[in-house]
Order: sequence, then structure tokens, then C-alpha cells
Amino acid sequence: GAVVSQHPSRVICKSGTSVKIECRSLDFQATTMFWYRQFPKQSLMLMATSNEGSKATYEQGVEKDKFLINHASLTLSTLTVTSAHPEDSSFYICSGRRGSGAPRDTQYFGPGTRLTVL
Amino acid sequence: GQQVMQIPQYQHVQEGEDFTTYCNSSTTLSNIQWYKQRPGGHPVFLIQLVKSGEVKKQKRLTFQFGEAKKNSSLHITATQTTDVGTYFCAGPVFMNRDDKIIFGKGTRLHILP
Repeated sequence: GAVVSQHPSRVICKSGTSVKIECRSLDFQATTMFWYRQFPKQSLMLMATSNEGSKATYEQGVEKDKFLINHASLTLSTLTVTSAHPEDSSFYICSGRRGSGAPRDTQYFGPGTRLTVL
Repeated sequence: GQQVMQIPQYQHVQEGEDFTTYCNSSTTLSNIQWYKQRPGGHPVFLIQLVKSGEVKKQKRLTFQFGEAKKNSSLHITATQTTDVGTYFCAGPVFMNRDDKIIFGKGTRLHILP
């Protein structure tokens, strides 16, 4: 299957700092990438959808100025959590979707990044 | 808005017993997908169902898509310890000229030895 990597896998930061998370599709071109947040023992909540070369579409309640998403190429999307606070501590997971080949809606998930804000 | 509901939230079964999780959508779905997330891991795609009434099998796992394409189920026969994890159903939503996947809350499966 298609492979998506995420970096870093874990990050601990101080409150007020910014954290950048990278999501890469290693063996396919992801025309669309999704960013999810998952709190402990809860489901995946979609934060935003990004298409290569265009602005991300954010879900209701997600602050676009706080969670900056850049989908600069067909294999790389980044999520920057700006001025992180303890309530931003969560598991952030990205996924990529191919534009062709596999069934259109199949998403391939990265391994996730666990963010802890002190 | 469109919702994807999943029950039960938790299920404890003895090893060897069967397990079923159910998924319901408030609207008709073009397709439904199932994912498995092991503890500490990330969701892994299991299968996609597209046709009304479709039934697919993967070894001990049987997936069904309802005739009205609004509900689905995942049934595991003779559970094993390797089946532990959370099973999510997910359905596509088309909104604002973009389509995205909405996940159910998941069913966490615990296997008792």
C-alpha cells in the first residue's frame, strides 16, 4: 500500500512556542492531504483539507491562524501549530489521497505526531 | 450536518467469540470505508464498500453495506488477540466543492484471554 510518513513522531514544547509537523507521501502523489486531531480514546476529528497549491479548507471551529497548513507539493504538507498551549496537546495525524489509481476516497494515514505542550 | 454514528463504543469479548460493530449514516453514502487502529498506532485502511448490499470478506472479517447505503457492519468471527484495537467506519461528505471523509466514533475491542 501507499506510504505516508510524518515527522516528528513526538514533540514536547513549551507553551507559546510554535511547532511544525511534516507529512510526506513517499511513493505516491497526494493531490489532497488531510489533517486530523485525535484526543485520547476519541475519534479522528478532521481539522482541515488541503489541495496542492491552494489554500487549506478548515473545519468549523478550527482556527486557521493558529493551525497553519502549507501543501507546497504533491508529496509534502506541513502543519504549524502557532503559539501552542497545553490544550493543543494531542495526536495529530495526516493522510494523503491519490488523485488516480486507488479508489478515489481511499486515504493513507501517516503514523501520527504526539504533541505535548507544557 | 451529516453524521456517521457507530455502536457500540466499547466491546469486551472472550477470545474465540464473535464481534460486530455497526455504522449508520444520516444520509446515503456513495461508499463506506473501514479502518483499524491498534493501541498507540495510526488508522489503517481495511476496506471500501461501494455497492448497495455489498458483502466482502477478509479472512475472519465480514463487511456489509446496507441496501439503502446508509448503514454498514463489520463482523469478526472467532476473535483473536491480534484483533484488539479500535475499528472506525468512515464515509465521504461532499461540501463546499470539496469532499472529505468523516469518521464514526469507533468501537474499541478488548479481547479477554
